[in-house]
Amino acid sequence: AQSVAQPEDQVNVAEGNPLTVKCTYSVSGNPYLFWYVQYPNRGLQFLLKYITGDNLVKGSYGFEAEFNKSQTSFHLKKPSALVSDSALYFCAVRGNTPLVFGKGTRLSVIA
Amino acid sequence: NAGVTQTPKFQVLKTGQSMTLQCAQDMNHNSMYWYRQDPGMGLRLIYYSASEGTTDKGEVPNGYNVSRLNKREFSLRLESAAPSQTSVYFCASSNSIGTGVLLINQPQHFGDGTRLSIL
Repeated sequence: AQSVAQPEDQVNVAEGNPLTVKCTYSVSGNPYLFWYVQYPNRGLQFLLKYITGDNLVKGSYGFEAEFNKSQTSFHLKKPSALVSDSALYFCAVRGNTPLVFGKGTRLSVIA
Repeated sequence: NAGVTQTPKFQVLKTGQSMTLQCAQDMNHNSMYWYRQDPGMGLRLIYYSASEGTTDKGEVPNGYNVSRLNKREFSLRLESAAPSQTSVYFCASSNSIGTGVLLINQPQHFGDGTRLSIL
């Protein structure tokens, strides 16, 4: 069965600094990986996905993620954080069934 | 551009009452999903419908039933509500375009949730 781990419940970063939100996964077969963001009282919004190809995936709002097969990781990154990036971020993996989500990481960007 | 619409947005039930959560999408998507979100648990899949006329159990189906009424609508029913079902429920849909890995990995579009409290 597939699983996702987000080791940090909370990440704090100063505005303008680079940010990283960590995700590791476990799946049999090829991994299909996703990042979603959730703002307060809203549903999840798709940011980016890795299916195949280039290990660096670019997505919405300046976010990118790096797929690392040997470390089974798919960390979300952004070169320069904005206060408006503060939200709850979910990593997800698809294996033989629809998406399995991590528990989420709350990102706080401090002005 | 409505996307995925969930009704109601809030509901309070007493233990043992029944309730149907409604979900409709206007994007002509084939697949639809129901999740629950609990603090510290992330999202967990309750049921999904890969296409009109089919439904399948997810990770936490016990205590729930679903109906794929047509391509647009996918409802979730609690027959006898329990306090453990207090949660935020999200409906999502995804398209079916492309073939192979592209087909099964289309992004999911989420509604804004139904906040359900069971006393």
